[in-house]
Amino acid sequence: GAVVSQHPSWVICKSGTSVKIECRSLDFQATTMFWYRQFPKQSLMLMATSNEGSKATYEQGVEKDKFLINHASLTLSTLTVTSAHPEDSSFYICSATVAGEYTGELFFGEGSRLTVL
Amino acid sequence: GENVEQHPSTLSVQEGDSAVIKCTYSDSASNYFPWYKQELGKRPQLIIDIRSNVGEKKDQRIAVTLNKTAKHFSLHITETQPEDSAVYFCAASFNSGGSNYKLTFGKGTLLTVNP
Repeated sequence: GAVVSQHPSWVICKSGTSVKIECRSLDFQATTMFWYRQFPKQSLMLMATSNEGSKATYEQGVEKDKFLINHASLTLSTLTVTSAHPEDSSFYICSATVAGEYTGELFFGEGSRLTVL
Repeated sequence: GENVEQHPSTLSVQEGDSAVIKCTYSDSASNYFPWYKQELGKRPQLIIDIRSNVGEKKDQRIAVTLNKTAKHFSLHITETQPEDSAVYFCAASFNSGGSNYKLTFGKGTLLTVNP
């Protein structure tokens, strides 16, 4: 149980276009989902916390108008990278906690590798 | 906010030897400390975690120790195998209730186990 799926797993886009990444909890409800960014050989940097039905909470330095997060249901959160530029190329990973469980365990998606040309 | 330091950044051991990775945290309120293993291009996988009310936890070849006074915790892997080679991340978070566990990750340790 507790499977998180991300889509797409990789995407290549042209500079200036927008890209949407989906994060789904397949067999549980996720009140809270987290979005991370990971550069090669670096750690996971939290970008934002996504709560179902409310606005996302962004970490300092993350542009909310650049990285749009929507968490419209208990099983789906989306991250849209707007007007993407080559410096936005990265590995984006989501994670979720199981609604009603307070163990602290995070379940991660497979990650989405974005390459902006 | 929380700051997590992890050492070493790279670690190379011979198969069968032990590996130790150490982390320190800054926020004394942190009460949950997981360790994740991440293989290249894949998602992080939880391998063990410990809470602030426990000083040590063991799961087969993997153990974690926590020193709340010194604010540091360590991962111990015994009898290492080549398949243990990966990047390991420590993390710390505080949770007062609810499902909002905001983890702060260390920078990671690249572990290489040589056959």
